[in-house]
Amino acid sequence: QVQLVESGGGVVQPGRSLRLSCVASGFTFSRYAMHWVRQVPGKGLDWVALISSDGSLKFYADSVKGRFTISRDNSKNTLYLQMNNLRAEDTAVYYCAKDLFENGGSYFDSWGQGTLVTASS
Amino acid sequence: SYVLTQTPSMSVAPGQTAKITCGGHNIGSKSVHWYQQKPGQAPILIIYYNSDRPSGIPERFSGSNSGNTATLTISRVEAGDEADFYCQVWNSTPDHHVVFGGGTKLTVL
Repeated sequence: QVQLVESGGGVVQPGRSLRLSCVASGFTFSRYAMHWVRQVPGKGLDWVALISSDGSLKFYADSVKGRFTISRDNSKNTLYLQMNNLRAEDTAVYYCAKDLFENGGSYFDSWGQGTLVTASS
Repeated sequence: SYVLTQTPSMSVAPGQTAKITCGGHNIGSKSVHWYQQKPGQAPILIIYYNSDRPSGIPERFSGSNSGNTATLTISRVEAGDEADFYCQVWNSTPDHHVVFGGGTKLTVL
């Protein structure tokens, strides 16, 4: 079955960087768009970024544009989120999620369990 | 940017019907998807394309979408249905992005 496993979260000082990873299994990773979605503990879901199946299309939420970069390595079945210049308001659980389509535009049919990022001094 | 509005919380007695709404400008022209999230867990998809159910989701869960409101209906509510529910759409103008509603916390009395 589909499995998405995030890693890379932790405590980081504001202004510093962190890279999250999501290893996928149970499906043909290279055929599907992937997303990052975050959730401040106790709050709602907040979409972060999308990357198409081949990596040619990338879209970002305004709140992270210019600071975060989504990427993927289809040979390693791995999705990444490079987070630079982190702010306190970026503190959240970060989920990777699989889209139904290769270029996105649909729903999330599978989610990882999330990794917690805390930006605090 | 496109906004989806959900009632923050609602309560329902076991066996009754819960209707959770998701408001948005002309949302009836969009495809709406719904997720259920229990405490400490990742969200799971319960309704896609307004009214379709993934395999394994009980028939008690149904969806509709028209005009400015999409609705998730849970019939014969059970204690195990207590959770947060989120609606979601894909918005392609002016920029491609995903929009979530703020979520509705369903409490089973």
